[in-house]
Amino acid sequence: QSALTQPASVPGSPGQSISISCTGTSSDGNDYKYVSWYQHHPGKAPKLIIYDVRKRPSGVSNRFSGSKSANTASLTISGLQAEDEANYYCSSYINNSIWVFGGGTKVTVL
Amino acid sequence: QVQLVQSGAEVKKPGASVKVSCKASGHTFTSDYIHWVRQAPGQGLEWMGLVNPSGASTNYAQKFRGRLTMTRDTSTTTVDMELRSLRSEDTAVYYCARPKRYYYFDDWGQGTLVTVSS
Repeated sequence: QSALTQPASVPGSPGQSISISCTGTSSDGNDYKYVSWYQHHPGKAPKLIIYDVRKRPSGVSNRFSGSKSANTASLTISGLQAEDEANYYCSSYINNSIWVFGGGTKVTVL
Repeated sequence: QVQLVQSGAEVKKPGASVKVSCKASGHTFTSDYIHWVRQAPGQGLEWMGLVNPSGASTNYAQKFRGRLTMTRDTSTTTVDMELRSLRSEDTAVYYCARPKRYYYFDDWGQGTLVTVSS
């Protein structure tokens, strides 16, 4: 199964907005309708922060938002805070009960 | 409140097998799919496979087919993940995860470190 491509790292200053891209393979026939994003602090379990491309689970800050254009999904973090420093992973349901994760993006708050 | 509690860390030799357990509480276990995801040191998350609510159906990522088995015991609300023919590249933290919405991983276990070393 093909992986999703994310940038390895994205830096940002406190208060800034940053975006992380997640690009799928356009030739695999997937419309990437079921894209989600996870925040992962080292040593802790990952946390779902976006599902259905752009929806937030209850309790997740509205500073996190998702979008999609063609086969590229994006996560935007606005008003960057120190606690946002973590690894972020996109994930997508592909088909036939197969899921895939992106390679992960390390967000560094400068 | 949903809780997934995993078994403890394991150290295995190359070629051996490991079984990691995930015990669920606080929800209707019999209606849940359970997935397994792993993270090798310095690497990203990797989806391994899932088992359906009854345990009668599983699906595994292609790279694990032939040496991965997921089973569930509804009487003990436990899902087991067994990986065979271990190699050093299987050293990782293994997580179980439960979707509330079919396509997503809402709840996670605390993770189990499996170390494969001679």
